[in-house]
Amino acid sequence: AQKITQTQPGMFVQEKEAVTLDCTYDTSDPSYGLFWYKQPSSGEMIFLIYQGSYDQQNATEGRYSLNFQKARKSANLVISASQLGDSAMYFCAMREGTYRGKIIFGKGTRLHILP
Amino acid sequence: DTEVTQTPKHLVMGMTNKKSLKCEQHMGHRAMYWYKQKAKKPPELMFVYSYEKLSINESVPSRFSPECPNSSLLNLHLHALQPEDSALYLCASSQDRTYNEQFFGPGTRLTVL
Repeated sequence: AQKITQTQPGMFVQEKEAVTLDCTYDTSDPSYGLFWYKQPSSGEMIFLIYQGSYDQQNATEGRYSLNFQKARKSANLVISASQLGDSAMYFCAMREGTYRGKIIFGKGTRLHILP
Repeated sequence: DTEVTQTPKHLVMGMTNKKSLKCEQHMGHRAMYWYKQKAKKPPELMFVYSYEKLSINESVPSRFSPECPNSSLLNLHLHALQPEDSALYLCASSQDRTYNEQFFGPGTRLTVL
């Protein structure tokens, strides 16, 4: 069974609009972490935001926020005021447990920002 | 210095060649990772080193041989690769295995002929 599901293979959004990228996850471990990474065409993975399973507040980092709904096992990324430079592949990822070090990535969503 | 560097950026090799990929970080991180990423797919973990010791090997074929000579350096030695091993190889580091953020390098794009 897939641990991380990203149901949107591709999205087209007008510049300056807000974007929500969907991510659902599956784990029975009470301790886990959720991540979002951005991968431009150059290939480098850029860390955007992290949410721990015990965090009470939704994580925010500048224009990025993570809409964490634990009961629904959902960790959507919200990008406010999108910019042309936001065009990239976005991966949702999860680490189960505290000490394992292994991150599992979803299949990704290709985001295209239109001028 | 908040950077992970990888060399070379591109590598083309034959199936009988021996080559190495290099990864370096000077952030004092004690965990380092190798990932393999095929086109249009997510990265897949290959190896994790924690405090210079191999802690995770995701059943990677022995034609890939990792090495961590010191806390700043991670190598991936390649021998007798197959064309299907062509991929982007990403290195990452984190403060330790429990730390949340992994910093990735730009990757080495490998083509096996």
